[in-house]
Amino acid sequence: AQKITQTQPGMFVQEKEAVTLDCTYDTSDQSYGLFWYKQPSSGEMIFLIYQGSYDEQNATEGRYSLNFQKARKSANLVISASQLGDSAMYFCAMRGLNNAGNMLTFGGGTRLMVKP
Amino acid sequence: DTGVSQNPRHKITKRGQNVTFRCDPISEHNRLYWYRQTLGQGPEFLTYFQNEAQLEKSRLLSDRFSAERPKGSFSTLEIQRTEQGDSAMYLCASSLNGRGAEAFFGQGTRLTVV
Repeated sequence: AQKITQTQPGMFVQEKEAVTLDCTYDTSDQSYGLFWYKQPSSGEMIFLIYQGSYDEQNATEGRYSLNFQKARKSANLVISASQLGDSAMYFCAMRGLNNAGNMLTFGGGTRLMVKP
Repeated sequence: DTGVSQNPRHKITKRGQNVTFRCDPISEHNRLYWYRQTLGQGPEFLTYFQNEAQLEKSRLLSDRFSAERPKGSFSTLEIQRTEQGDSAMYLCASSLNGRGAEAFFGQGTRLTVV
């Protein structure tokens, strides 16, 4: 079984500042992938960044980086230089890579609000 | 538009009616997933297809729910005898095979049962 915990229901950040969204996970799988998705009010889930459990370097995608600490089972998302358009729900998700189905397990989400 | 497409975007139905949603995945993706998202929660897995074969179903998928992907392309999700507890956003996603293959989501169908 897999579990994702996001302990921050809501967060504020000032425009142009960096923000860290927390994610901890629990799994019995040896090999797994961690994902972050953004969900604006329109409803679609937008893929942001992926980290494989055996990747030695933290993933980065533009203004997004994933602070992966395997021993602590955490996969925090860092957004640098926040923009007003970053205001949305953010979901951390994982899946076991040895799981044939590759279905995702999601956390409860964090609502990020960027202040001008 | 080459993304995942879901129709309708919104559906309001009376309790006890049947509803059907459609998902058109990205054309070269052979995996298709259905998720359900209730207000304030993250999406929960319902079922997935590899090509036309439905390979796994969640316990959340009661016998009132049925999903098909007849030709391995689009998929339908039908809910029979809807209940108020079925009110949620139904999300479809598709992906390629392979480890780390990211799932691309549609905009979802928001169902309201009155």
